[in-house]
Amino acid sequence: QKEVEQDPGPLSVPEGAIVSLNCTYSNSAFQYFMWYRQYSRKGPELLMYTYSSGNKEDGRFTAQVDKSSKYISLFIRDSQPSDSATYLCAMTITDKLIFGTGTRLQVFP
Amino acid sequence: GAGVSQSPSNKVTEKGKDVELRCDPISGHTALYWYRQSLGQGLEFLIYFQGNSAPDKSGLPSDRFSAERTGGSVSTLTIQRTQQEDSAVYLCASGAGPFSYNEQFFGPGTRLTVL
Repeated sequence: QKEVEQDPGPLSVPEGAIVSLNCTYSNSAFQYFMWYRQYSRKGPELLMYTYSSGNKEDGRFTAQVDKSSKYISLFIRDSQPSDSATYLCAMTITDKLIFGTGTRLQVFP
Repeated sequence: GAGVSQSPSNKVTEKGKDVELRCDPISGHTALYWYRQSLGQGLEFLIYFQGNSAPDKSGLPSDRFSAERTGGSVSTLTIQRTQQEDSAVYLCASGAGPFSYNEQFFGPGTRLTVL
């Protein structure tokens, strides 16, 4: 079993929809929780990171962490075609990031 | 430079050959990470440098893989006697310091194909 599980998708939604992306994890020692966005043939770019349980909002994006359930989510409001990308969750332990496999999101006009 | 750069962007090699992949981190960044991204596997941590030393090499999959960093800047990942299962995108990231989780910036990657 992988330490971080993420549904690979693809997830296809119409423009304007609310998107929910999720990851589960098994290691309670994970400290920071991040979401990265990766466009095709590009490196991942950090969208958001959180430390504690709860919600963190940044524009159209909300990151949610539930440490008791070992579950994290990323919500995208008013999704746009430009949001079409692969979204990777990542978690830190000591000095490295452990990534999920990524969820491919397609937002169609 | 403005961002992390990697070269070559694409590399096709024959099984059994050695390859070298290069990473130029953001100027002044002391932390440098190598990851491997295979289809459907997500990003797999390979090695972490702080300055020129590598306190964590735990992700290197075999002794055919090695990496070095010189002058606290450029890093080279070397794969000896390449195998087909080494085919993947190799990504480099740099950070401002140790445990710079929220400040890791990734390069565009090197796509390695082993025939």
